[in-house]
Amino acid sequence: DSGVTQTPKHLITATGQRVTLRCSPRSGDLSVYWYQQSLDQGLQFLIQYYNGEERAKGNILERFSAQQFPDLHSELNLSSLELGDSALYFCASSKTERAYGYTFGSGTRLTVV
Amino acid sequence: AQSVTQLDSQVPVFEEAPVELRCNYSSSVSVYLFWYVQYPNQGLQLLLKYLSGSTLVKGINGFEAEFNKSQTSFHLRKPSVHISDTAEYFCAVSEHNQGGKLIFGQGTELSVKP
Repeated sequence: DSGVTQTPKHLITATGQRVTLRCSPRSGDLSVYWYQQSLDQGLQFLIQYYNGEERAKGNILERFSAQQFPDLHSELNLSSLELGDSALYFCASSKTERAYGYTFGSGTRLTVV
Repeated sequence: AQSVTQLDSQVPVFEEAPVELRCNYSSSVSVYLFWYVQYPNQGLQLLLKYLSGSTLVKGINGFEAEFNKSQTSFHLRKPSVHISDTAEYFCAVSEHNQGGKLIFGQGTELSVKP
């Protein structure tokens, strides 16, 4: 157990739908990161939050949004889902804003049918 | 633009043999370098990292890597592999001015055979 908790582990939904992925960081970590892993794109950075504020943004689609709440957990919202959004979504956390090495959760596998 | 290239997509090797997984990066600024391992159906685990100082870094499970700034490389090595080392290995780079963002390579699948 890495200490980073992601729920749900698996999610199957239809095209056009909206889902929310949840991440609880390790105790004491202030940064949360979201990554998408797919066979064709590999591991892609989506977004970083630090202590509730957005810190860095990657190639995140406009249909996707995220936030970090006062208790430091984070949610990734994916809307108007397409078949190509099927992927493994990872959350990671770290104590600082910098990438000194962070801890990943076990991921949420999203299947869009 | 920042990018990471893992030169081998698959590396088959026999148990107890040495292995090297190659990683090259491109960046115009100073970087931090990382190797992560992903076992089947699991998240990524940090193997080792280079932040500054000695260019030879040692990590978990007997792995080590050497940062070569002139060749912009960060190759991962292990002198003797075990069956349990079978996994996907990812090299990653973070630029000093990019906060916490990591750019990952496409991964190298290490397959250790008995």
